[in-house]
Amino acid sequence: EAGVAQSPRYKIIEKRQSVAFWCNPISGHATLYWYQQILGQGPKLLIQFQNNGVVDDSQLPKDRFSAERLKGVDSTLKIQPAKLEDSAVYLCASSPNWDSNQPQHFGDGTRLSIL
Amino acid sequence: AQSVSQHNHHVILSEAASLELGCNYSYGGTVNLFWYVQYPGQHLQLLLKYFSGDPLVKGIKGFEAEFIKSKFSFNLRKPSVQWSDTAEYFCAVNTPNQAGTALIFGKGTTLSVSS
Repeated sequence: EAGVAQSPRYKIIEKRQSVAFWCNPISGHATLYWYQQILGQGPKLLIQFQNNGVVDDSQLPKDRFSAERLKGVDSTLKIQPAKLEDSAVYLCASSPNWDSNQPQHFGDGTRLSIL
Repeated sequence: AQSVSQHNHHVILSEAASLELGCNYSYGGTVNLFWYVQYPGQHLQLLLKYFSGDPLVKGIKGFEAEFIKSKFSFNLRKPSVQWSDTAEYFCAVNTPNQAGTALIFGKGTTLSVSS
C-alpha cells in the first residue's frame, strides 16, 4: 500500500512569513495526526482529526497555527506568521480508525527552517 | 500529564553486542506501549507494540520488549545488533478509552553500530 504522502519535504522561510504543509494519508484511514518534532526531541501532537472533525487540538498554538481536513481525506497545516521557534519537522501520521491500539503510519515529514 | 523518559540519549555499540534501551512512562492507568524506529533518511516505522497479554512482545528484525507494570517500564532489547540497526529509536505511549489517541513520545535514543 502507498504510504503517507507529505509535501514539501523542505521549506525555508523568514520569520513572520506564512507557510503551508500538505498531507495525504493512507487510503481509507479515518484518523489523521499532525506532529511537530523539534531537533533533539520526540514528536509532539499538534492536532488529531477523525474524518473531517477535530478530536484533539489542545496543543495547537491557535494564534498562529491552523489545520483543516475538509473532505476527510487530505489535510493542510498552516503557520501564519511563523516564529523562529517553529523551526522543526512537521510529521503527518494516519491510522485506520481511532482505536488507540492501531499503529500510526508516518510520512517523511516536512523540515521547516525559519530564518 | 503523561510523559515518557528514555534514559540513553546516544548508545554506541559494536556489531554482535547486545542492546537494551530503557523507557519509562508516567501514567497510573492502562496504557498502550510502542517502539518506533527511524532509519537514516526514512520515516518513523513501528518496531513493536504492547496492548495486553504476554508482557514480552516480539517485533520485527529480532527486537523484543518487556512490559514491567510495577516499574512503569518498557525496555527494548536485541541480543545481537547489526550495523543496519543504526537508527533513532523512540518509545511512545497512549491510553485507551480516551477521545484523543495521539502518541506521547520520549526524546529518542540514537543507536550507532560500528562494524
